[in-house]
Amino acid sequence: SYELTQPPSVSVSPGQTARITCSGNALQQYAYWYQQKPGQAPVLVIYKDSERPSGIPERFSGSSSGTTVTLTISGVQAEDEADYYCQSTDSSGTYVFGTGTKVTVL
Amino acid sequence: EVQLVESGGGLVQPGGSLRLSCAASGFTFSSYWMSWVRQAPGKGLEWVANIHQDGSDKYYVDSVKGRFTISRDNAKNSLYLQMNSLRAEDTAVYYCARPRVPYSSSAAFDSWGQGTLVTVSS
Repeated sequence: SYELTQPPSVSVSPGQTARITCSGNALQQYAYWYQQKPGQAPVLVIYKDSERPSGIPERFSGSSSGTTVTLTISGVQAEDEADYYCQSTDSSGTYVFGTGTKVTVL
Repeated sequence: EVQLVESGGGLVQPGGSLRLSCAASGFTFSSYWMSWVRQAPGKGLEWVANIHQDGSDKYYVDSVKGRFTISRDNAKNSLYLQMNSLRAEDTAVYYCARPRVPYSSSAAFDSWGQGTLVTVSS
């Protein structure tokens, strides 16, 4: 089966940089990243590995290398505390989500 | 403004059935693949199913195949999820989601509903 693995948690001080990795067996398709705050629906923050939707702050960026994609939050702010999920599509073209990472701002 | 509004959630006994609806507005519904995504309490996101813009193709996660059926009515701008033989592990908030690009079955979801809670318990 197709899996996308993320670290369960990342802790970062305000103003520092948070990096969240997502690794998958055959991450050959584009990856997407979502931010989800408690009680809210997910919000798309990165698509096509590194593209940022309008309205998403520039401190959010994405990159890809081999079978690992990374979401980077530069100059973390308190409001960035949330759960983050990567997403891609498997070999049959159906979606799969990563295991999720809780970002804590110290 | 794109809006997706789910309804139909509730408490159902194991083995029971429920039909979820998602009312779409603010975009040309008939041009988009649509998906259902769920999230069990305290757990991560799980894609459940999607459907071609004209309803001709449908895909499901293995855990719901044979039990859930996704459908749509483009005349009513509505998406549905018929859930049969429900199990405790189907307990989750169910979201409908739209890809950011029309006619695409693999684009990122840029629009989500607020979700509807399904609880399967005796």
